[in-house]
Amino acid sequence: AQSVAQPEDQVNVAEGNPLTVKCTYSVSGNPYLFWYVQYPNRGLQFLLKYITGDNLVKGSYGFEAEFNKSQTSFHLKKPSALVSDSALYFCAVRPSGTYKYIFGTGTRLKVLA
Amino acid sequence: DAGVIQSPRHEVTEMGQEVTLRCKPISGHNSLFWYRQTMMRGLELLIYFNNNVPIDDSGMPEDRFSAKMPNASFSTLKIQPSEPRDSAVYFCASSFLEPNYGYTFGSGTRLTVV
Repeated sequence: AQSVAQPEDQVNVAEGNPLTVKCTYSVSGNPYLFWYVQYPNRGLQFLLKYITGDNLVKGSYGFEAEFNKSQTSFHLKKPSALVSDSALYFCAVRPSGTYKYIFGTGTRLKVLA
Repeated sequence: DAGVIQSPRHEVTEMGQEVTLRCKPISGHNSLFWYRQTMMRGLELLIYFNNNVPIDDSGMPEDRFSAKMPNASFSTLKIQPSEPRDSAVYFCASSFLEPNYGYTFGSGTRLTVV
């Protein structure tokens, strides 16, 4: 079965420190990979995507993600966390040839001042 | 563009009542999705429209749920009769059909059925 795993329910990081939010997937073929962020009482907002090409993709608000095909991972990173980055982050995979996303369960990021 | 617009933002209703949620997608997008979000089940795709036509409604939980898209700028999700277990946040999202496009989500409707 195709799936997306976000192994950490919550990640705590001090402001100014680097952050990583993990995502691994089990999908056949070459999927499209996405990260979304959800702030309280808001819908999901698109952060970045990997379609093809360079394994390191850059997105909104200083976030980036690294695609690793051999490890089937797409971890979200930021060099220096801000308190305002505190939110719920979703990894999503769109298998090639389909329209449906497979969403992870979400990781709550808390950046501590 | 104002983004994907959903109404109402909050809805509290009594069990057995009919509930209608509304969505206005981004102009030009040809795909529309209804999702439900709960703590227990996360994000669930309920139904997907392409060019106003329902393509996949396999996620609609029961016959009590129905969705329509009468034109490119409007969609509704109706629950009749509503039950307490329908309480959730319902999101509408729109996109282009091409798979490398991300979705644009609305702010959601928080439904509480008492």
